[in-house]
Amino acid sequence: DQQVKQNSPSLSVQEGRISILNCDYTNSMFDYFLWYKKYPAEGPTFLISISSIKDKNEDGRFTVFLNKSAKHLSLHIVPSQPGDSAVYFCAASVPGTYKYIFGTGTRLKVLA
Amino acid sequence: ETGVTQTPRHLVMGMTNKKSLKCEQHLGHNAMYWYKQSAKKPLELMFVYSLEERVENNSVPSRFSPECPNSSHLFLHLHTLQPEDSALYLCASSQYAVGQGAYEQYFGPGTRLTVT
Repeated sequence: DQQVKQNSPSLSVQEGRISILNCDYTNSMFDYFLWYKKYPAEGPTFLISISSIKDKNEDGRFTVFLNKSAKHLSLHIVPSQPGDSAVYFCAASVPGTYKYIFGTGTRLKVLA
Repeated sequence: ETGVTQTPRHLVMGMTNKKSLKCEQHLGHNAMYWYKQSAKKPLELMFVYSLEERVENNSVPSRFSPECPNSSHLFLHLHTLQPEDSALYLCASSQYAVGQGAYEQYFGPGTRLTVT
């Protein structure tokens, strides 16, 4: 039973446009959500996070939105750049534990 | 060295071999993790150490044996592995606060393991 799902395995976007990556979760107890970016032959790199008590967090070109009623979060990248081409993972924190539950990732390709 | 480092980056081993993966973190974190990433699967948490004490063991077969001699170093000892154990093994570290849980994790580049 996958508690964190990224239903789109891949996404292609034109340079300069908005990229929207989606993530759904099933456990309403998750208290902290994160997005990671992964380039080939490298480990995931932390990108941005959001607490479950907020609905939006912004950092430069990256904004994460959380819709608790829909158990859905999304990552917006505006404007998209070719260097953003990578695999993006969302992850959810199990409260009071060391555990993060990861999605399977979405491969983003930004076309120049 | 900065961040989280892992050695070796690539490893090919036979099913009867014994090898070890090494991880070192230079971030002053108090928790370290081993994850397994197989193709088209989510990252699977294998082990967690907090202040050198194992706090999570996610039903991992005994052919994987972790060791955490201090808060900066983590090892994964491998013996009599199976071909299905071929995967990317990632080490991560984070800060952990009692009552608040773990903060964001910082990952190493991984070891690509192939079992023949």
